Amino acid sequence: KQEVTQIPAALSVPEGENLVLNCSFTDSAIYNLQWFRQDPGKGLTSLLLIQSSQREQTSGRLNASLDKSSGRSTLYIAASQPGDSATYLCAVFANYGQNFVFGPGTRLSVLP
Amino acid sequence: DTAVSQTPKYLVTQMGNDKSIKCEQNLGHDTMYWYKQDSKKFLKIMFSYNNKELIINETVPNRFSPKSPDKAHLNLHINSLELGDSAVYFCASSQGPSGAEETQYFGPGTRLLVL
Repeated sequence: KQEVTQIPAALSVPEGENLVLNCSFTDSAIYNLQWFRQDPGKGLTSLLLIQSSQREQTSGRLNASLDKSSGRSTLYIAASQPGDSATYLCAVFANYGQNFVFGPGTRLSVLP
Repeated sequence: DTAVSQTPKYLVTQMGNDKSIKCEQNLGHDTMYWYKQDSKKFLKIMFSYNNKELIINETVPNRFSPKSPDKAHLNLHINSLELGDSAVYFCASSQGPSGAEETQYFGPGTRLLVL
């Protein structure tokens, strides 16, 4: 059974810092991994989708990497801003199932 | 225009009642999903429909019954509500039949509180 964990559970940084969020999954047989952002009281917004054949994806100040063999992904946020404050969720789409398995999220606070 | 919309946004009701949550997507997607986010913030899939046909039905009590009148709508009906049903329910959609290669687009969520 696929399990997804995220470290740290919460993170507070001053504005301008570069930061890394970590995601681990137990079964490397995945189609893809996706990073989402969830703002308080709102739905999820997809940030980056990495297919199993890819190593990384970039969008603006965000860079996500995938090491399928070790069951790890990282989300790198450059030059963090207060507007980046949110909960970041990673989710893996397993080969054997037909659905995403989500991690518990990392709650990020960027202080002005 | 909202891509994936849900109604109501908030729902407070008594134990034992029957309630429905509606979801609509205007993206022209073929697949729609229902997720439950519990108090610990874990997000778990409940159902998936592709072109009005059920694809995924995770271990969910049969008090929960999804209904898809057309591929733009996936409603969730809950019978005999229990305290443990209190959660945030998210609807989502994707273009492909399984979401394996597609980004999923989420609605804003429906916050259900059962008293």
